[in-house]
Amino acid sequence: KQEVTQIPAALSVPEGENLVLNCSFTDSAIYNLQWFRQDPGKGLTSLLLIQSSQREQTSGRLNASLDKSSGRSTLYIAASQPGDSATYLCAVLDNFNKFYFGSGTKLNVKP
Amino acid sequence: EAQVTQNPRYLITVTGKKLTVTCSQNMNHEYMSWYRQDPGLGLRQIYYSMNVEVTDKGDVPEGYKVSRKEKRNFPLILESPSPNQTSLYFCASSPPRGAAFFGQGTRLTVV
Repeated sequence: KQEVTQIPAALSVPEGENLVLNCSFTDSAIYNLQWFRQDPGKGLTSLLLIQSSQREQTSGRLNASLDKSSGRSTLYIAASQPGDSATYLCAVLDNFNKFYFGSGTKLNVKP
Repeated sequence: EAQVTQNPRYLITVTGKKLTVTCSQNMNHEYMSWYRQDPGLGLRQIYYSMNVEVTDKGDVPEGYKVSRKEKRNFPLILESPSPNQTSLYFCASSPPRGAAFFGQGTRLTVV
């Protein structure tokens, strides 16, 4: 069964720092990997989607990479801002169209 | 605007009183699913549907029912709610092998 792990569980950084969030998965047979942002008590907002044939995707200050063979993805956030404070979740889609979610990294960016 | 709409957003009910949480999407997605999110347990899939009249159990289906009579709607039914079903519920939709879109969540409290 697919297992998705996110490290660290929590991260606190000063404003302006560049940071990396990690996501690993046990089964490399995936169709895509998606990064989400979740604010407390709110829904999940899609940030980036990487298809299994792709190596990375970029949107503004966010860059996500995917190494399917090693079962790893990273989300890079450049020049972090207090508004980036949220929980970040990664999810992989398997061959049966099922999503598997990590437990998230809770990010706090201090002004 | 592409969206997944859940109602109600907040609900407090008593044990045993049947309730329905509605979910509707306007993107013509084939795939819809329900999740519950609990502290320390992450997102767990309750039920999913690959298309109209096709539904199947997820990881935690006990105590829940679903139906998919129309492509856009996927209601979640709790026939006899219990306190252990107090949780934050999310509906999601996606095209085959595509990105998932989430509703804003329904916070359910069963007393």
